[in-house]
Amino acid sequence: QKEVEQDPGPLSVPEGAIVSLNCTYSNSAFQYFMWYRQYSRKGPELLMYTYSSGNKEDGRFTAQVDKSSKYISLFIRDSQPSDSATYLCAMSSNAGGTSYGKLTFGQGTILTVHP
Amino acid sequence: DADVTQTPRNRITKTGKRIMLECSQTKGHDRMYWYRQDPGLGLQLIYYSFDVKDINKGEISDGYSVSRQAQAKFSLSLESAIPNQTALYFCATSVGTSGNTGELFFGEGSRLTVL
Repeated sequence: QKEVEQDPGPLSVPEGAIVSLNCTYSNSAFQYFMWYRQYSRKGPELLMYTYSSGNKEDGRFTAQVDKSSKYISLFIRDSQPSDSATYLCAMSSNAGGTSYGKLTFGQGTILTVHP
Repeated sequence: DADVTQTPRNRITKTGKRIMLECSQTKGHDRMYWYRQDPGLGLQLIYYSFDVKDINKGEISDGYSVSRQAQAKFSLSLESAIPNQTALYFCATSVGTSGNTGELFFGEGSRLTVL
């Protein structure tokens, strides 16, 4: 069983829809949670970063972490065609500081938002 | 210009050939990484380096080697390429000081096909 499981999709939604992307994990030591967005033929870019449990909002994006259920989510409100990309969850047990903050990635979910 | 530059962007080669993928960065980061991305598997770490004299194996280092020629340059070699090394390869960098998130900054990828 993989440490991090992410539904690969693909997910296709109409413009304006609310999108929910999810990951589950098995390692209870994970406490730093990230979402990366990867456009076609590009490298991933950090979209959201959350420490421990709770919610974090940034514009149309909301990241949720439920450590008790080992479940994280990314919500996209009022989705736009420009949101079409692959979304990767990633998590680690320590931050980047002096020790190595090894990131474990999910498989990625391919999202298409059609006009 | 990209902060993290990978060359070549695309390469087709034959089984048994030696291949080098190069990465250079202008971000001034100490830490550099090589990842492999396969459909349905997410990103897997091959090697990482915290400074010029530091090289570490990642999850899937067998069949690969690396060289950190300078703070800004980190190359990945396949001594004798095999078809199951066909994948998209990413170089990434991160800041090494404590208190940061460990965010990875990725290049645009090198697509390698081994026939």
